[in-house]
Amino acid sequence: QVQLQESGPGLVKPSETLSLTCTVSGYSISSGYYWGWIRQPPGKGLEWIGSIYPSGSTYYNPSLKSRVTISVDTSKNQFSLKLTSVTAADTAVYYCAGAPNSYYFDYWGQGTLVTVSS
Amino acid sequence: EIVLTQSPATLSLSPGERATLSCRASQSVSSYLAWYQQKPGQAPRLLIYDASKRATGIPARFSGSGSGTDFTLTISSLEPEDFAVYYCQQRSNWPRTFGQGTKVEIK
Repeated sequence: QVQLQESGPGLVKPSETLSLTCTVSGYSISSGYYWGWIRQPPGKGLEWIGSIYPSGSTYYNPSLKSRVTISVDTSKNQFSLKLTSVTAADTAVYYCAGAPNSYYFDYWGQGTLVTVSS
Repeated sequence: EIVLTQSPATLSLSPGERATLSCRASQSVSSYLAWYQQKPGQAPRLLIYDASKRATGIPARFSGSGSGTDFTLTISSLEPEDFAVYYCQQRSNWPRTFGQGTKVEIK
């Protein structure tokens, strides 16, 4: 069974860097179509942040592109998100998700709330 | 960027009724559209992909249709567990985009 689990700080100060890791179990991250990060501000809808192929190729949301980096560590079966220069507007539940069987996100982590506050 | 517009924003229905949700794309996405269900405090769950294919384990009361720019998610007879928020998402182009969601609430 494919499982994804986000980990990282729940509180980040303004102007600092948000860093999250997604650990995948039950499936090799080197396989599959791609993996990604999606966020959801409290009470709002879903926003795609970016995706990464097993090869390391990445695609980012243009609205975040200047601040986002997604990377993959196949040896640890993990992929990661870094978002720099955060503000209160980056406060959200961050989900990692996987598309191992198709180009759609059929596996999701439980989500982790990241609050940006001093 | 492809903008997905969902309607209505809220749908108030009773258990047993039929729900019809709409998703309109700002340009053609062919059949590369998915529907997700999200309940409070939970991650989204993939229901429908490629416009009309049910994901693994999804009940037959959920069906999707459409192509190009107009898509519909139909729940033939609402069960109590179906009251949730539904999102459409396209994978035709980068960046991937989601609709703003339709909340199906109990009337």
